[in-house]
Amino acid sequence: EVQLVESGGGLVQPGGSLRVSCAVSGFTFSRFWMSWVRQAPGKGLEWVANIKEDGSEKYYVDSVKGRFTISRDNAKNSLYLQMNTLRAEDTAVYYCASTTRGGGWDHWGQGTLVTVSS
Amino acid sequence: DVVMTQSPLSLPVTLGQPASISCRSSQSLVHSDGNTYFNWFQQRPGQSPRRLIYKVSNRESGVPDRFSGSGSGTDFTLKISRVEAEDVGVYYCMQGTHWPWTFGQGTKVDIK
Repeated sequence: EVQLVESGGGLVQPGGSLRVSCAVSGFTFSRFWMSWVRQAPGKGLEWVANIKEDGSEKYYVDSVKGRFTISRDNAKNSLYLQMNTLRAEDTAVYYCASTTRGGGWDHWGQGTLVTVSS
Repeated sequence: DVVMTQSPLSLPVTLGQPASISCRSSQSLVHSDGNTYFNWFQQRPGQSPRRLIYKVSNRESGVPDRFSGSGSGTDFTLKISRVEAEDVGVYYCMQGTHWPWTFGQGTKVDIK
């Protein structure tokens, strides 16, 4: 069974840092692009970042460029999102997703809530 | 970034009746490899999103055939032939042709 389990969310002050993680099982993690998608409370979905199978390519939405870093450890079947200089508008549920744009593969975690507030 | 614009944003439907959602992109979604990486996602209340349709008109495994997608270039449509109670939720279009991938604002479907 494919499973993606996020962790590491919590309350952080504006300007602070947090790292969220995603532990993957049930498929060959190193063969798939991975993504982070977020959803602010009561709002829509926003694609945050993607990372290639070997970590050699990364893409970010403009609003997080220079502040967030996506990374992966294929030996540990884990995906990460390091978030620095956090702002109130970064408050959201952060989902880990493995979804190929070519179709036929789409799996999401349950999400982890990050709250940025003083 | 590519802007995805959905309409309507709210769609009250009658059980057993059809429903349709439109999505327009700010630029063509035809990739240089010839594919159009346009998707529809469903998010039921309290659940994570899941993809229903990929590459405009292909259903993911397990998606009921009452869901269908169509369109090309910049204009796309999701149709539900006969709405069932389990279809309540928010539907998002999403493009994967251009970086960064982007979603539409979402269309909330509920029962009249």
